[in-house]
Amino acid sequence: ETGVTQTPRHLVMGMTNKKSLKCEQHLGHNAMYWYKQSAKKPLELMFVYSLEERVENNSVPSRFSPECPNSSHLFLHLHTLQPEDSALYLCASSQAGEQGAVNSPLHFGNGTRLTVT
Amino acid sequence: GQQLNQSPQSMFIQEGEDVSMNCTSSSIFNTWLWYKQDPGEGPVLLIALYKAGELTSNGRLTAQFGITRKDSFLNISASIPSDVGIYFCAGRPSGTYKYIFGTGTRLKVLA
Repeated sequence: ETGVTQTPRHLVMGMTNKKSLKCEQHLGHNAMYWYKQSAKKPLELMFVYSLEERVENNSVPSRFSPECPNSSHLFLHLHTLQPEDSALYLCASSQAGEQGAVNSPLHFGNGTRLTVT
Repeated sequence: GQQLNQSPQSMFIQEGEDVSMNCTSSSIFNTWLWYKQDPGEGPVLLIALYKAGELTSNGRLTAQFGITRKDSFLNISASIPSDVGIYFCAGRPSGTYKYIFGTGTRLKVLA
């Protein structure tokens, strides 16, 4: 079982569709992240959940809606996306300390390649 | 916002050569990480650095946490074809839980 598993690996959706990306981690971590990776740009942090609370919403449009039902699972719900949202969406996990501060490296999944038509 | 400058952006090298890449920031970092990403996969952690001046090796890879805490470098010795990929640095500023990523160094190894 790989450490961080993302499904689906590829997704093509129209601008009016609703879809969800799923992430599951088997590392016993308590912080989970969504990153967006576009060509020739640094990884962009979208959302952070630490100890199951959302601690970061990095000015992400409301058409992206995260959900973290427990420390092992993270979802990204997608609705009414735009073509410029096409990218690789990466989930990561790490270990946070008692007060929620991250104190370990990020471990990434293999991502979902999203194409919005 | 905070930025990481990673260089070079890309490089072609001959198999067997040594490679060096670096990242610099405008602010102090508590942690530096180096990742490699292969096509169709997520970034994989290579080396983590936690103290200024720290020098850490992982096989043919060596990375250092700069003394000023504003830079880090990664060296690959005796490169082989499977070293091809994109290498990312990431830093965590003091007092935050966010990791900021560089734009990556695309490495191509010529056999």
